[in-house]
Amino acid sequence: TQLLEQSPQFLSIQEGENLTVYCNSSSVFSSLQWYRQEPGEGPVLLVTVVTGGEVKKLKRLTFQFGDARKDSSLHITAAQPGDTGLYLCAGGASGGGADGLTFGKGTHLIIQP
Amino acid sequence: EPEVTQTPSHQVTQMGQEVILRCVPISNHLYFYWYRQILGQKVEFLVSFYNNEISEKSEIFDDQFSVERPDGSNFTLKIRSTKLEDSAMYFCASSEFSGLAGTTYEQYFGPGTRLTVT
Repeated sequence: TQLLEQSPQFLSIQEGENLTVYCNSSSVFSSLQWYRQEPGEGPVLLVTVVTGGEVKKLKRLTFQFGDARKDSSLHITAAQPGDTGLYLCAGGASGGGADGLTFGKGTHLIIQP
Repeated sequence: EPEVTQTPSHQVTQMGQEVILRCVPISNHLYFYWYRQILGQKVEFLVSFYNNEISEKSEIFDDQFSVERPDGSNFTLKIRSTKLEDSAMYFCASSEFSGLAGTTYEQYFGPGTRLTVT
């Protein structure tokens, strides 16, 4: 069974600060996707990383996939209150087929003005 | 922008009753999925569907569950005899590719159906 551990579980910081959240596993994933989920809504895809060592940037958000494709991180620069939300990582299993994603429990992020 | 839609947004049913949750995936997507999220817990994979058959299913997806693509646009999840523990948000997702070497696949989720079993 593949597991994804996200840390920290909760994070509350001031506007303008930088932060990093982590997504770790002992298993290799073929791809790693980051989602943001608002209460009562479905996950919204932010980014997908597929290559070990890959770095993708989305405005102030930087996503990195570990070299061994077992871990990933999300770094936010100059956090804003609009970044508040639940951030989920989800891994696609190695191999073909319509693989289901394995989700982490998420990081609850609060950016205080 | 194309999106996955789900109906109803909220379904209340009595234990033992059958429910059908409906989804309209993004039109050019070929792979379809159902997930569930029990309140306060992580999103869990139930089943994936491609070319009119189940591709993969989790341990949660037992004989009380079934999926169907009854026409060219809808994708449904049926729970035959609901239990209290089936109360959860159910999310449908769709993707354009599978996880084949050299390709990426990105799953897009619908807004969910909140199922409450009483």
